Amino acid sequence: AQSVTQLDSQVPVFEEAPVELRCNYSSSVSVYLFWYVQYPNQGLQLLLKYLSGSTLVKGINGFEAEFNKSQTSFHLRKPSVHISDTAEYFCAVISPNSGGSNYKLTFGKGTLLTVNP
Amino acid sequence: EPEVTQTPSHQVTQMGQEVILRCVPISNHLYFYWYRQILGQKVEFLVSFYNNEISEKSEIFDDQFSVERPDGSNFTLKIRSTKLEDSAMYFCASRGTGLEQYFGPGTRLTVT
Repeated sequence: AQSVTQLDSQVPVFEEAPVELRCNYSSSVSVYLFWYVQYPNQGLQLLLKYLSGSTLVKGINGFEAEFNKSQTSFHLRKPSVHISDTAEYFCAVISPNSGGSNYKLTFGKGTLLTVNP
Repeated sequence: EPEVTQTPSHQVTQMGQEVILRCVPISNHLYFYWYRQILGQKVEFLVSFYNNEISEKSEIFDDQFSVERPDGSNFTLKIRSTKLEDSAMYFCASRGTGLEQYFGPGTRLTVT
């Protein structure tokens, strides 16, 4: 069974600083990886995904993530954050269900990014 | 842009009562999911639904839970006899032929 670890529960940064939110996964099979963002009082919005191909993937709002198979990581980065990036960020993984095409998501605990002026 | 909607946004119920949480998935999507998030904990998978039947369910999804797609647009989660520990945010999600799941805004269920 797969699991996802987000090493930091909270990350405070100043506006215009770079940020990296860490995510490691554990799975014995190939995985698909996702980052979701949850703004206050809203649902989960897909930021970006890695399915195959280039290990550097770009998402919305200037975020990017790099898939590293040897380190089983999928860290999220942004070179310069804004106040509006304050939100909870969730890393998630899918391992194909041997029984079909279920593709349920397994989430990490989330990282609260707080951008201060 | 099409989106997943959920009603109500907040439901308060007494222990032992039945609740039905409603979701309207994106119209051409085929796969439907319920997840929940207890305060301060991970988002957890509950159940997936495809072709009018459950395709997978977690250990959490016991006999007190059921799902239904009563018509071509709604997808519901029913809890027959709520417990205090059912208090959580419940998210509905749907996907089409791709792997991306699109989530609704959630229903906060409070059991007193």
